[in-house]
Amino acid sequence: GAGVSQSPSNKVTEKGKDVELRCDPISGHTALYWYRQRLGQGLEFLIYFQGNSAPDKSGLPSDRFSAERTGESVSTLTIQRTQQEDSAVYLCASSLSRAGDTQYFGPGTRLTVL
Amino acid sequence: AQSVTQPDIHITVSEGASLELRCNYSYGATPYLFWYVQSPGQGLQLLLKYFSGDTLVQGIKGFEAEFKRSQSSFNLRKPSVHWSDAAEYFCAVGAGGNKLVFGAGTILRVKS
Repeated sequence: GAGVSQSPSNKVTEKGKDVELRCDPISGHTALYWYRQRLGQGLEFLIYFQGNSAPDKSGLPSDRFSAERTGESVSTLTIQRTQQEDSAVYLCASSLSRAGDTQYFGPGTRLTVL
Repeated sequence: AQSVTQPDIHITVSEGASLELRCNYSYGATPYLFWYVQSPGQGLQLLLKYFSGDTLVQGIKGFEAEFKRSQSSFNLRKPSVHWSDAAEYFCAVGAGGNKLVFGAGTILRVKS
C-alpha cells in the first residue's frame, strides 16, 4: 500500500514567515511522529501523536513550533516566525501503536530559511 | 536520558569487503534497537530491529546486527559490501513510549 507522504518536498521561505508542513501517514497507523534532521546530524525527535491521547511535545525546540493531527490521519507541523536555524529536513513517520513497532518514514520536507 | 553513539562519522570499504558499523547506546531498561539506512534523496528504510530473544538479528539486504548487553552495543555487519550499500546508516533506540533516539549517523563509502 501507500507509504507515508509529505508535502511540500521543498520549501524556501524568508526569515520571519510562518510555514506549514504536511504529513499523510500510512492508513491504519495510529501513531505519528515528527523528527528534524539538520545537515550532517542525526534525527531529532519533535512530537508524537498516539490515537486520541495528548501528544508528547517534549521535543519541540520552542513555542514557535506546533503540530496538530486530525484523528488518525493527516498531521500539520507549523513553524511560526521562522529563523535560519530552523533550516533542516523535517521527517514524518507513522507506526502501529505498540512500543517498538516499526516506524515508517516519509521522504521529508527540506526547509530553507533565507 | 537515552543516547546513541555512532563513533565513526565516515567509513570507506572496498567492494566485497566485510563491514561493521558501531553503535553504543545508553538506556536503563531493555532497549528496542533499530538500524535504518538513508540513501541519497531517499527516505529512511528500516534494515533490522531488536526487541528481545535471539541477540543476533537478521535484516534486509544481507545485513545483521548483534545485541551485546554487557557492552551496550548493537553493531551492524555485512560480510560482503556492494557498491549499492553506499549510504548513511543510523542506529536508534526506542526511548520510553514509542519515540526513537537516533545516533548522528555513519556515512559509508564503497570503493571499487
